[in-house]
Amino acid sequence: EIVMTQSPATLSVSPGERATISCRASQSISSNLIWYQQKAGQPPRLLIYSASTRLGGIPDRFSGSGSGTEFTLTISSLQSEDVAVYYCQQDSNWPLTFGGGTKVEIK
Amino acid sequence: QEHMEQSGAEVKKPGASVKVSCKASEYTFTAHNFHWVRQAPGQGLEWIGWINPNSGDTSYAPRFQGRVTMTGDTSTSTLYMDLSSLRSDDTAIYYCARVALPVAARRGNWFDPWGQGTLVIVSS
Repeated sequence: EIVMTQSPATLSVSPGERATISCRASQSISSNLIWYQQKAGQPPRLLIYSASTRLGGIPDRFSGSGSGTEFTLTISSLQSEDVAVYYCQQDSNWPLTFGGGTKVEIK
Repeated sequence: QEHMEQSGAEVKKPGASVKVSCKASEYTFTAHNFHWVRQAPGQGLEWIGWINPNSGDTSYAPRFQGRVTMTGDTSTSTLYMDLSSLRSDDTAIYYCARVALPVAARRGNWFDPWGQGTLVIVSS
């Protein structure tokens, strides 16, 4: 099973500043990496797939990068509505696995 | 916009079974694979398995093998997830989620949309 490790667990960022979340895979997953956003009391929402492709309708302040074992989700200018927990997921191997999540807060 | 409606919250005793339903739209039901994911209170996401409602093909995460059964009813466009031998650590919100791309695309297991979730509480 591929283990996905996210860091940091919690991120406090001032409005308008950049937020950077890391996701590491225990073995290479090529670009088979997905990012979700989950706001309190809601199901997850797809943001990015194939490591860097933004779903239609997702603001362009969200971007993804990386390949192999190291991946990054960047929010270029944090807005209040971006407060949420962010999860990475790999779909390279079965079973599918998720990272433990990164909580993004407003400083 | 696809919407998936899940059944309501359940309270079960240890050792019992629970069956959660998820109704999708008719036009996507047989064109997509669907997955089930759960989230324990305050915890992260855990993948349970997937189903192709058209073929009935399923695959489950090893830790749920033997305890979970996923089915689909094409006449009502409804998915079902049956989890047996419930334990207290099965207490969680259970989500159904549609694979964003149709089966014909032959790639990608990213999920959009997700159902609203069904809370299952296991308590004596």
